[in-house]
Order: sequence, then structure tokens, then C-alpha cells
Amino acid sequence: QQPVQSPQAVILREGEDAVINCSSSKALYSVHWYRQKHGEAPVFLMILLKGGEQKGHDKISASFNEKKQQSSLYLTASQLSYSGTYFCGTELHYSGGGADGLTFGKGTHLIIQP
Amino acid sequence: GAVVSQHPSWVICKSGTSVKIECRSLDFQATTMFWYRQFPKQSLMLMATSNEGSKATYEQGVEKDKFLINHASLTLSTLTVTSAHPEDSSFYICSARDPWPFYGYTFGSGTRLTVV
Repeated sequence: QQPVQSPQAVILREGEDAVINCSSSKALYSVHWYRQKHGEAPVFLMILLKGGEQKGHDKISASFNEKKQQSSLYLTASQLSYSGTYFCGTELHYSGGGADGLTFGKGTHLIIQP
Repeated sequence: GAVVSQHPSWVICKSGTSVKIECRSLDFQATTMFWYRQFPKQSLMLMATSNEGSKATYEQGVEKDKFLINHASLTLSTLTVTSAHPEDSSFYICSARDPWPFYGYTFGSGTRLTVV
């Protein structure tokens, strides 16, 4: 089932902060965050695993509330390069061979203005 | 990090012809690869899971006879769009899970298919 992302779009001034949310109605094993620029493939930002482990980039942080099956991506001191569409992808369970793929939300469009 | 190469990056074909898209894991072996489709201004939708040495599994609503998947080696999966029609025009992206101890998915650069 497709996770729900909010907000649908955000417009910020350079240097401002943003929070993007992702929620699922099913129990998740992991949440993956990607940024996609127009015409390009998604770029990995962050992964959050059940149990609290996180892997990602330095200037981007995220949280995963296992009780609520909700994840939030925090973008601080936004830069012009942060513009793009942010997707969360969810994984219900990890079968070892990676046989599930990701189910993506509809995306959040982020526009950073100078 | 893991690298997934996808080729071609774009293709224009005539209606009724077939198009093959290749996806390679360059520095790791991928027993499983995933194919996604993305229509303009929409999210990525998983089409099928490609399994090395066995049949692909398709998501509900995806025509297996139209989208042929072959995963002949541990580093190569191909997607063939057969008898393409304008409604098949889309952005096709492959993905593979990063090798241990990483847990993320690496995506190819995508293929923009336009059927005229």
C-alpha cells in the first residue's frame, strides 16, 4: 500500500528549514528517502531501519516512529541545490535477498528560492 | 558505493516495434533487480522484480507478455517493451539492492521511452 506523504509542495527561501512526512498504514521494516530532479533518476538520501539504525548524508536527518509507522525528513539551512521532488519509499520486510523493492509515496515538491 | 548502469538513456521508437533496456550492476552482483515506471509528474511504480536464473514476478496490472524481463547473469537484467504503443511512453528505471552491509537501493539513470 502506497505511503502517504505531506506536504505535497513546499516553497522556501534559501536558508530556511523544511520537514517532509511519510506515513504508512502497515508495519514497516525500513523507510528510504530519495530526491529526484526533473528528468533524472532518484538519488539516495537516507534509510531508516526498524530498530533505529540510520544511514544517510551529513546535512540531512530523519526520524522513524515505529509505533506510528511515520517517518520525517529534516532539511536544515536549505540550499538552492535542495530543490526537487522528495520521495519516501517503504519496505514491509527484508527477506535477505532484497526481493521486495520499494513502494513510493506520491512525492513532495520542494522549491528553494534565493 | 554501488553503481547501477542503465542503457540507453533515451529512445524513440515507432508504434508496434520493440525496445530493449539494459540494467547492469557494475561493482557488485545483484541476484534481484527491480524495474519501475514513472509517468510525468507521478511517483515511481514498481513494475516487476527480476530474479537471476528464474522468472520475473510482475506487479498486479502489469502485462508480462508486453514487458519481457530477462536476468541472465548476476550483473545484467533487461526489460523489453514489446509492440510498444504511445501509452507505453514513460521513464523506466531499474534498481538493485546495495550489497551487505548496506541496506539501500541504488537506481540506474533511467531510460526515457517515447513511442511515436
